[in-house]
Parts: sequence; C-alpha cells; structure tokens
Amino acid sequence: DTAVSQTPKYLVTQMGNDKSIKCEQNLGHDTMYWYKQDSKKFLKIMFSYNNKELIINETVPNRFSPKSPDKAHLNLHINSLELGDSAVYFCASSRRDSYNEQFFGPGTRLTVL
Amino acid sequence: AQSVTQLDSHVSVSEGTPVLLRCNYSSSYSPSLFWYVQHPNKGLQLLLKYTSAATLVKGINGFEAEFKKSETSFHLTKPSAHMSDAAEYFCVVSDPSGSSNTGKLIFGQGTTLQVKP
Repeated sequence: DTAVSQTPKYLVTQMGNDKSIKCEQNLGHDTMYWYKQDSKKFLKIMFSYNNKELIINETVPNRFSPKSPDKAHLNLHINSLELGDSAVYFCASSRRDSYNEQFFGPGTRLTVL
Repeated sequence: AQSVTQLDSHVSVSEGTPVLLRCNYSSSYSPSLFWYVQHPNKGLQLLLKYTSAATLVKGINGFEAEFKKSETSFHLTKPSAHMSDAAEYFCVVSDPSGSSNTGKLIFGQGTTLQVKP
C-alpha cells in the first residue's frame, strides 16, 4: 500500500552506462517530481510533470530525461553516467492544486564507479 | 528569490530535553513554509506547514513551529525529545511560478538532530 514507490532502491553502475529509475504513485495525484540529494544531503528539484506535461525543468544536463507514460508514473533515464551523478534521487507527487504538500518516495541511491 | 537558511547543521540534545531547530527564510512576498523530516535511509515526511493562517503551527509527533515575520524565522520546537526523533530535518519555502497551481519547494541545507540517551 506504499503511496510513492521507486525502483530500484540501490543502483551501482559504471561510468558511461545508461540507467533508469522508476517511480509510481497510487495517490491519484496529477503532479510528480524528481529531486536529487547530494552527499551533503542538499535537496534540489530537477523536474516536475503535471499530468504528463513537463512543468519544471531546472538546469539539469540533457543526459537526464524524464518520461511520464501516464500521470501515475514518472521515470528518470540517465545517459552516459558520470561520477558526479552519484546521489540519492527522490520521486515525489502532489495534487495539481497543492504543490506545497508533496509526498516523497523512499529514494534510490545511485553510485557511479 | 526565495531561500531558507538553517542556522545549525547539527544539533545534539538529551532525551527528554527541549528541541530547537532554527530556520530563517527570505521571500519577496508572503511565503508558505514547511518542515520535513528524513529518517535514516528513508524518504521525506511532512512534519508541518505554514500557509498564512495561524502563526503557531502544530505538526506531527509533538513538533510545532512559529512563523515570525519580523524576524523572518520559522523555528521548529518540541518540548521533550525522544530517541525516535533522531533524523535529518529540512526547512522548506515554496517558490510559486506565478500560478497558484504550480511551483517548487526550496530546501534548506538540513539539520541533523542527535538524541542522546
């Protein structure tokens, strides 16, 4: 009955590889987000989608491509992984009219070797 | 631009003593402010939020925060710490994009709360 779920929980990969992280929410929310938490625990938004439409796209390298097949899913694909991509990635969701109250997934710890 | 500054990166208290986690904000208009908690290896959970209603906001697990416009502060308090309160705490301000339906959250740097037995 998890509200916002992410897979995988841990991801270890080599530089240059391409990987994806999946996110699903069963809260009926219209808006979904991806955040990156660096090694100093600083959290920063990367993207947000509202009903499959890109709303926020921060200054993220274009190696990162979010994909929203439907409003319950927002996947993050990363091409040509770099060492600096190592971080914890959090997915979140909210109601369309209440972006202030976001529900977060458990996070995916990505380690690039 | 909106921003928050958490004044302490690490706070250590003894179990049963009060908790104070400090946060100052900067906003060009009336802000919405939040505190989120992150337990080890877990996602973030909303503790409480201020959205221009009562200035003293009560949250879950006995936490509360007071919005003080004159001091641009939104400090988090709890009268008596419990071991289970040990976690990372984030002060957050909203940054609307110009529409009431969209926007983003701006996170502070986080404060690690350690609770000693």
